[in-house]
Amino acid sequence: AQSVTQLGSHVSVSEGALVLLRCNYSSSVPPYLFWYVQYPNQGLQLLLKYTTGATLVKGINGFEAEFKKSETSFHLTKPSAHMSDAAEYFCASMDSNYQLIWGAGTKLIIKP
Amino acid sequence: DAGVTQSPTHLIKTRGQHVTLRCSPISGHKSVSWYQQVLGQGPQFIFQYYEKEERGRGNFPDRFSARQFPNYSSELNVNALLLGDSALYLCASSPLDPFLEAFFGQGTRLTVV
Repeated sequence: AQSVTQLGSHVSVSEGALVLLRCNYSSSVPPYLFWYVQYPNQGLQLLLKYTTGATLVKGINGFEAEFKKSETSFHLTKPSAHMSDAAEYFCASMDSNYQLIWGAGTKLIIKP
Repeated sequence: DAGVTQSPTHLIKTRGQHVTLRCSPISGHKSVSWYQQVLGQGPQFIFQYYEKEERGRGNFPDRFSARQFPNYSSELNVNALLLGDSALYLCASSPLDPFLEAFFGQGTRLTVV
């Protein structure tokens, strides 16, 4: 069965520092991969997605992610963290039935 | 344009009761999916509907049911509520089949006491 693993339930970085959130997937076919952000008491907002083509995907709010097939990874990065980036981030893949399989989420904490 | 709207935003129910959650998709979107998000976990897929037909069902008991109406809005029904049904219920709409671009509502927070 397809699965998504996010390493680290909590990640803490200083404002201005690099943000790196890790996501690994398992899939027997080329996956569709997504990163979503969830602010407290709100729904999920799409940050970026990989379907086909370029492996480096740019999203909203300065985030980007790189699809690495050899490592089965889709890590999310941002060069410089901002206080407004504090939220929970979810990685997801789409299975063969076009249903989203979600990771457990990583809470990003930004230190002033 | 209005986004995905869900009602109610918060709900408290007693064990054994029934609940109906509602979702209005973005205008023009024909696909609606429902997810359950328990506190501290990622969402779990419950149902997907496209053009009023069920296209997918997650690993949830028969107490959970849903339907999509001709105007593409949707209802999620849960019977015989259990304490473990307490969660944030998210609705997502998509213009496409297959389901590649999901837009989420703010969710309904259900508390079962």
